[in-house]
Amino acid sequence: DQQVKQNSPSLSVQEGRISILNCDYTNSMFDYFLWYKKYPAEGPTFLISISSIKDKNEDGRFTVFLNKSAKHLSLHIVPSQPGDSAVYFCAGSNYGGATNKLIFGTGTLLAVQP
Amino acid sequence: EPEVTQTPSHQVTQMGQEVILRCVPISNHLYFYWYRQILGQKVEFLVSFYNNEISEKSEIFDDQFSVERPDGSNFTLKIRSTKLEDSAMYFCASRTAEAFFGQGTRLTVV
Repeated sequence: DQQVKQNSPSLSVQEGRISILNCDYTNSMFDYFLWYKKYPAEGPTFLISISSIKDKNEDGRFTVFLNKSAKHLSLHIVPSQPGDSAVYFCAGSNYGGATNKLIFGTGTLLAVQP
Repeated sequence: EPEVTQTPSHQVTQMGQEVILRCVPISNHLYFYWYRQILGQKVEFLVSFYNNEISEKSEIFDDQFSVERPDGSNFTLKIRSTKLEDSAMYFCASRTAEAFFGQGTRLTVV
């Protein structure tokens, strides 16, 4: 049961351009969403989050958009830098629930070309 | 900046042996988790821990797994009798709103 889906396994963009990473979810109980960046053999690094009561959250070069009716969120990185090259995971959570565990998508490998 | 720390970074063990993976969560966090990632696969939930007890566990978290918070700071994952398929990166996390992860323990079962 894939509650969180990242349908693009990989994405390649030029340095300085916008990277858009997409994520879809099926669980209507999710009320908090998070994006993580991950390098091989390292732990996920928290990037940005958004509550379901918002439709946008911005932090520096990172912006997350949430479309609740479509059960879709996206992460925009502008401008993209070579150091952004990594696997990006989105995660959904029922923050108000008993355990508020994170459910991860399968990840998107972002490659930013110099 | 507070961080989640995990030890050891790499553990090699023989099949059937017991291993204990250790974590020090961020001190004011209340929810603690263990996740794992088998090479090339997604990050999978194992167990959540709140108020000194397991609040949820996945199908993966069978009787060979256990968790403890023995001294109010450390958070451990024990695998009683390791199998080859337990080889993975194991991540500890702690949370208020955002969840922060440790750098992981690479467990290799031979």
